[in-house]
Amino acid sequence: KAGVTQTPRYLIKTRGQQVTLSCSPISGHRSVSWYQQTPGQGLQFLFEYFSETQRNKGNFPGRFSGRQFSNSRSEMNVSTLELGDSALYLCASSLGEGFTGELFFGEGSRLTVL
Amino acid sequence: AQSVAQPEDQVNVAEGNPLTVKCTYSVSGNPYLFWYVQYPNRGLQFLLKYITGDNLVKGSYGFEAEFNKSQTSFHLKKPSALVSDSALYFCAVRDRGGGFKTIFGAGTRLFVKA
Repeated sequence: KAGVTQTPRYLIKTRGQQVTLSCSPISGHRSVSWYQQTPGQGLQFLFEYFSETQRNKGNFPGRFSGRQFSNSRSEMNVSTLELGDSALYLCASSLGEGFTGELFFGEGSRLTVL
Repeated sequence: AQSVAQPEDQVNVAEGNPLTVKCTYSVSGNPYLFWYVQYPNRGLQFLLKYITGDNLVKGSYGFEAEFNKSQTSFHLKKPSALVSDSALYFCAVRDRGGGFKTIFGAGTRLFVKA
């Protein structure tokens, strides 16, 4: 069974640009969450989607947005990039409602903003 | 607000010795508790979880964790450390109330010396 797939794995952008990251969850998983990992702030929750609806949202500015498609694949977008957006962006999937278990993480997309 | 504290940035232990990585949490109600491990340039991998029942839970790679409700702690333990256990360890909590928003601690880097 394929794991969580994130693309691209590495990317470099300049300030002011925008970026879109993609996440394909494990087959059958309906919940997708996004996290930002930085050395200084650790793992910060961005948002969670379930059945194409945003169910939870973290404390990030509106420049950070996401969506989920009917096949559970998810994208997140960051507009007007800032230097501080440089981070490892991790996607995680879970089965969905009633599931008490763990998150399954992808290997992340490492974004560098110059 | 939910929070997770990992009081040690780094834990050093000799191979063969027991190890403990500490975690305390502040969450209303009875949360789900998790430990994850991260190897360099990789996503997080699930180690173990506490949902209900026995306070001592066993997980992958010989790790176990002890849930203490009165002290709101969930310390990770292993009887005999291996060099290959060297990695970054995250404690995490999730509200039982729905959704998969998970709050992570800052992480503890474990070094196991041969």
